[in-house]
Amino acid sequence: AQTVTQSQPEMSVQEAETVTLSCTYDTSESNYYLFWYKQPPSRQMILVIRQEAYKQQNATENRFSVNFQKAAKSFSLKISDSQLGDTAMYFCAFMKIGGGADGLTFGKGTHLIIQP
Amino acid sequence: DVKVTQSSRYLVKRTGEKVFLECVQDMDHENMFWYRQDPGLGLRLIYFSYDVKMKEKGDIPEGYSVSREKKERFSLILESASTNQTSMYLCASSLWGRAGANVLTFGAGSRLTVL
Repeated sequence: AQTVTQSQPEMSVQEAETVTLSCTYDTSESNYYLFWYKQPPSRQMILVIRQEAYKQQNATENRFSVNFQKAAKSFSLKISDSQLGDTAMYFCAFMKIGGGADGLTFGKGTHLIIQP
Repeated sequence: DVKVTQSSRYLVKRTGEKVFLECVQDMDHENMFWYRQDPGLGLRLIYFSYDVKMKEKGDIPEGYSVSREKKERFSLILESASTNQTSMYLCASSLWGRAGANVLTFGAGSRLTVL
């Protein structure tokens, strides 16, 4: 079974700063997906970014980028020029490919607070 | 955009009541999921379904059942609600077996309080 660990239960930074959320995982699979999901206060969870394990290039979506270190089983999320709207719970998730619909494992989440 | 709609945002029920949480998606997704979200515990999978009338247990199925009679609808049932089932329940759906198909689309959540 896979495990996903987010070691930072809560983080707080000032608006416009850069912040990095950490995520590590444990798996014996060689091919898989990794995700960061965002859950704003009282709003539904949405996908922030996705990384395919066989791709060495780190995924980027506007101000959001990841640092994917496959050997270290690390998948951190960097948010540049943070904005008040980035305040949310962030969940790291692992999905094994071809493992069935239940192959998705979430971390416990990091509550990110952007201070004005 | 895929839309996943959960029928109730907030529910208050009494211990022993039968509770139905309904979820409907409008984009012909094969997979549907019910998660439970508790502070400090993240998301835990209760049940999922990969086709009509097909279901499989997730990590914490005890005390819950599900029904999927139509592709677009996935219901979570608490046969006899208990206070330890007070939680946020999230429904999600996804495509299956296609490139880029593994992203989950979530509903807004149903916050259930059992008194």
